[in-house]
Order: sequence, then structure tokens, then C-alpha cells
Amino acid sequence: AQKITQTQPGMFVQEKEAVTLDCTYDTSDQSYGLFWYKQPSSGEMIFLIYQGSYDEQNATEGRYSLNFQKARKSANLVISASQLGDSAMYFCAMEGANAGGTSYGKLTFGQGTILTVHP
Amino acid sequence: GAVVSQHPSWVICKSGTSVKIECRSLDFQATTMFWYRQFPKQSLMLMATSNEGSKATYEQGVEKDKFLINHASLTLSTLTVTSAHPEDSSFYICSARDPWSQPQHFGDGTRLSIL
Repeated sequence: AQKITQTQPGMFVQEKEAVTLDCTYDTSDQSYGLFWYKQPSSGEMIFLIYQGSYDEQNATEGRYSLNFQKARKSANLVISASQLGDSAMYFCAMEGANAGGTSYGKLTFGQGTILTVHP
Repeated sequence: GAVVSQHPSWVICKSGTSVKIECRSLDFQATTMFWYRQFPKQSLMLMATSNEGSKATYEQGVEKDKFLINHASLTLSTLTVTSAHPEDSSFYICSARDPWSQPQHFGDGTRLSIL
């Protein structure tokens, strides 16, 4: 079984500042992938960043970076230089794989964090 | 552009009506698609895994006869909410992944309101 925990129901940040959204996970899979998605009020799920469990480098995508600490089972999202358009709900998710590395495909989501960026 | 298309975006209908939601992968073939349900300000809950050419795999607690899933081709899965009631009102969203790449892509979701 897999579990994703996001302990911050809501976060506030000033425009242009950086913010960290927390995510911890639990899994018995040897291989897995970790994702962050952004969901604005319109509802669509926007993919932000991906980290494979065997990736040694932390993933970065523009203003987004993933602080992956495997021993602590955490995969925090860091958003630098926050913008007003970053206000949304953010989900951390995990996709497991079998011993051979074949993904199961389905995602397990955390509870989500609502981020509000103030001008 | 969008790689997964979901239709319709909004549905408002009377209690007892059956509603069909379509999910299409636009530029890849998806042997597996996923259907999620989401209540306001809550997380996405996996309802079922849609398998092309075979029966869907439902998560525990999801009524198979209420939520019918058909995956008739490699690019189309449909979710039919049968005899819908107000408690079925929710946001339904599908996803699929190109088997050769990450990540999973989501449709834009369907807001279902049963009066």
C-alpha cells in the first residue's frame, strides 16, 4: 500500500518570495515515481515536476524544484519567485512499480495544499 | 496542447438520468486509463482502472453497477453514471499515460450536478 501525506492544508506567501510545500510518503515498492500537480480553481490538473526514486539529482523545472530526501521519505516542492498565478491547490502524488520496474500506472494523491500568493 | 480530452465539461441533469463521460487520449494509445472522483477542496480518489478490451478494475467501495466503465478502443474510455442521484454530484476526472513516457496526463474534468 502507498500513502502520501501533505500536512499543510493552506499556505500563504508574498509575491516574489519562495515557498516550500511539504510531502512525505510511505511505500513498500523498491521503485516509484513522485509527482507534483497544480489544480487551479477551474479544475484541470497541471503537471509540474517528476522525481524517480532512483534519480540522484533533485528534479528542477523552471521555478519549481523538488527537494527529494529518500531516507526521510520526503519530496517537498519548492516554488521560487512566487507569482499571483501560482495561487491554486497543489497535490503530491506517487506511482508505484513492481520488482521489475514496471509501473502500476495509478496515482495515489495526498490531501493537497491550498497556496495563496499575496501581492 | 492537451493530450487527454474529456467531455463534457459540465453536466446538469435530473435525478434518475444516466450520464456518460468520455475520456480520449489524443496523441498516444492508452491501454489503461484511470477515473477519479473529487469533492470540493478534497483530494482525488481513484474510482477504477479502465483496461482496453477487458473489464475495469474497481477500487474498494465503488459500485460497479452505478459507475459503468467501457474501454472499447486504445484511445477512448467512457464512464457512465447510471440512474444518477444528488449524492453522485461531484467532479470526475480521467487520466492516461503514454506507456513510453511520464507523466500521467489528465483530462480537464467533468462537473456533474444532479438535481
